[in-house]
Amino acid sequence: QKEVEQDPGPLSVPEGAIVSLNCTYSNSAFQYFMWYRQYSRKGPELLMYTYSSGNKEDGRFTAQVDKSSKYISLFIRDSQPSDSATYLCAMKRRGAGSYQLTFGKGTKLSVIP
Amino acid sequence: DGGITQSPKYLFRKEGQNVTLSCEQNLNHDAMYWYRQDPGQGLRLIYYSQIVNDFQKGDIAEGYSVSREKKESFPLTVTSAQKNPTAFYLCASSSLAGGYEQFFGPGTRLTVL
Repeated sequence: QKEVEQDPGPLSVPEGAIVSLNCTYSNSAFQYFMWYRQYSRKGPELLMYTYSSGNKEDGRFTAQVDKSSKYISLFIRDSQPSDSATYLCAMKRRGAGSYQLTFGKGTKLSVIP
Repeated sequence: DGGITQSPKYLFRKEGQNVTLSCEQNLNHDAMYWYRQDPGQGLRLIYYSQIVNDFQKGDIAEGYSVSREKKESFPLTVTSAQKNPTAFYLCASSSLAGGYEQFFGPGTRLTVL
């Protein structure tokens, strides 16, 4: 079993829809959870991060962590065509080195006008 | 503007040639990383460096070499020993005090002809 699993999609939704992107993980030592957004032929950029369990909201984006289920989600409300990108989850154990980020494979999202 | 620059954006190489990808950062970060991204594979760590004149192998270091002579610069050489070098290469950096966020450059697309 891979440490981090992420459905690669592609996921296609109409503009204005609520999008749910998810990752599951097997290592219960993961404490830091991140979502990166990557536009086509560009480098990833950090979108959201959460520590341990709970929700974090930033504008139209909400990151959710359920440590009991080893499941993290990114919700996008009122999705826009500009949200079309690949979304990568990433995780790190507490106390792990800065290089020890484990990435999901990414989910490709298309928001159709 | 603070950030990470990678050059060139596109690179073509004949089989049997070594090529060097450039990565420069002006964020005053101690740590720098090289990742390889292939479709459906996510990000895989090639090499990382946490201090000048020191670097460590990542998960897929075979066929690659790096140097870290200056804090700002972390060039990656793709050698002829790399069996399948066609990929998108991403450089990243982070503050060791920060704990989690890696900042990525725009990437270099390498194609072997």
